[in-house]
Amino acid sequence: GAVVSQHPSRVICKSGTSVKIECRSLDFQATTMFWYRQFPKQSLMLMATSNEGSKATYEQGVEKDKFLINHASLTLSTLTVTSAHPEDSSFYICSARDSRGTGELFFGEGSRLTVL
Amino acid sequence: AQKVTQAQTEISVVEKEDVTLDCVYETRDTTYYLFWYKQPPSGELVFLIRRNSFDEQNEISGRYSWNFQKSTSSFNFTITASQVVDSAVYFCALSEAGRSQGNLIFGKGTKLSVKP
Repeated sequence: GAVVSQHPSRVICKSGTSVKIECRSLDFQATTMFWYRQFPKQSLMLMATSNEGSKATYEQGVEKDKFLINHASLTLSTLTVTSAHPEDSSFYICSARDSRGTGELFFGEGSRLTVL
Repeated sequence: AQKVTQAQTEISVVEKEDVTLDCVYETRDTTYYLFWYKQPPSGELVFLIRRNSFDEQNEISGRYSWNFQKSTSSFNFTITASQVVDSAVYFCALSEAGRSQGNLIFGKGTKLSVKP
C-alpha cells in the first residue's frame, strides 16, 4: 500500500539551530501535504497545508517564519524549524493526500524533535 | 465550526472485555469524512477507518466495529474481546470533503489501557 515516510524519526538539537524534517510520499504523488504538531499527551493540531509549487497555508497562531515549509516536488515536503527553542520540542507528523482518485490520506511515522 | 469531542480521556479494561470509545462531532458541512486512528506508544498513526457522511452503515472489521449515527452526530468505535495489544491512544477525526479533504480536525484522544 501507499507509504509516507518521514525523516528523521528522532532528532535532538541545540537551542538556536535549525532542523529540517522531510516528508516523502513513496509510491504516489501528493500535490497537498499537511503538517501536524502533537505535544505530549495531547491531540494533533494542524500547523499548515503544504501545496506543491506554491506557498504553504498556515493555521492561525503558527509562525510561518519559524516553521518554513517547502513543497518543491510532488513527492516531497519539508518542514524547517528555524532557530529552535526548547518549547519547539514536539512530535511532528505529516500527511499526504494521494492526488489520484479518492484523494486518500496517508500519515508519516512522525518525527520527534527535542531541543536542548 | 468543526469540532470533534472525545469525552473519555482514559479507559482501563481487563483483557477480553468489550469497550466502546465515544466520538461526537460538529460540522456545518453536508459532506464530510470521519476517521479513527490508533496511536501506539511508538507514536505513529495507524489508520483504522474512514467513513463518508453519506454512508451510515455500521462497519465491522474483525474485533473492531463502528457505529455511525448522523442523528446524534456520533461515530463510536467498539473493540470486542479486547487484547493487551489494543492499548493505545485512539483519535477520532473529521475532515471536509473536496479540496479541504485531508485537513483533519482531531479529537483529544482516548487512552485505552487493556490489562492482562
